[in-house]
Amino acid sequence: EIVLTQSPATLSLSPGERATLSCRASQSVNNQLAWYQQRPGQAPRLLIYDASTRATGIPTRFSGSGSGTDFTLTISSLEPEDFAVYYCQQRSHGPPITFGQGTRLETK
Amino acid sequence: EVQLVESGGGLVQPGRSLRLSCAASGFSFDDYAMHWVRQAPGKGLEWVSAINWNGAHTDYVDSVKGRFTISRDSANTSLYLQMNSLRAEDTALYFCAKDATKWGDYFYMDVWGKGTTVTVSS
Repeated sequence: EIVLTQSPATLSLSPGERATLSCRASQSVNNQLAWYQQRPGQAPRLLIYDASTRATGIPTRFSGSGSGTDFTLTISSLEPEDFAVYYCQQRSHGPPITFGQGTRLETK
Repeated sequence: EVQLVESGGGLVQPGRSLRLSCAASGFSFDDYAMHWVRQAPGKGLEWVSAINWNGAHTDYVDSVKGRFTISRDSANTSLYLQMNSLRAEDTALYFCAKDATKWGDYFYMDVWGKGTTVTVSS
């Protein structure tokens, strides 16, 4: 089973700042990695798939990069609605499909 | 509008069974794999099970193998999760999710329901 480790666990930033979230896989997942956003009390929302492709309707301030074992989600300029929990997910060697433990993005 | 609506959750004693349902609408249900993902209170996401687009292939996380069964009904455009021998650690919010890839295997989840809560307790 591939383990995804996200860092940091919590990121404290202010609106307008740039956010950089990391996801590291225990073995290569090629580019088969996705990022999800989960706001409190809501279902997750797909942001990025295949490491760098934005899902339908996702603002351009969200971008993904990386391949192999190291991946990054970048939010170029934080909006108030971006403060949420973010998860990475791999499907390269699934099943099982696995998620990272999440990064909480909170307001500083 | 693409929509997934889960139902069937509730409070159940350890060792008992529960069947979750997910009603799908707004897309060609038969063309996509479907998933169940759960989230224990205050915890992260855990993929539970998936079924491919035609129902011929199913997969499960190890912790539920032999206890849970995923199925789908094209006539009713519905997804199901039969959960037997429930344990306290199965307590979670269970989400139904649509796979993003038409006629594909299991990839990513691009549409999610709001979830249904399962509580396993005596």
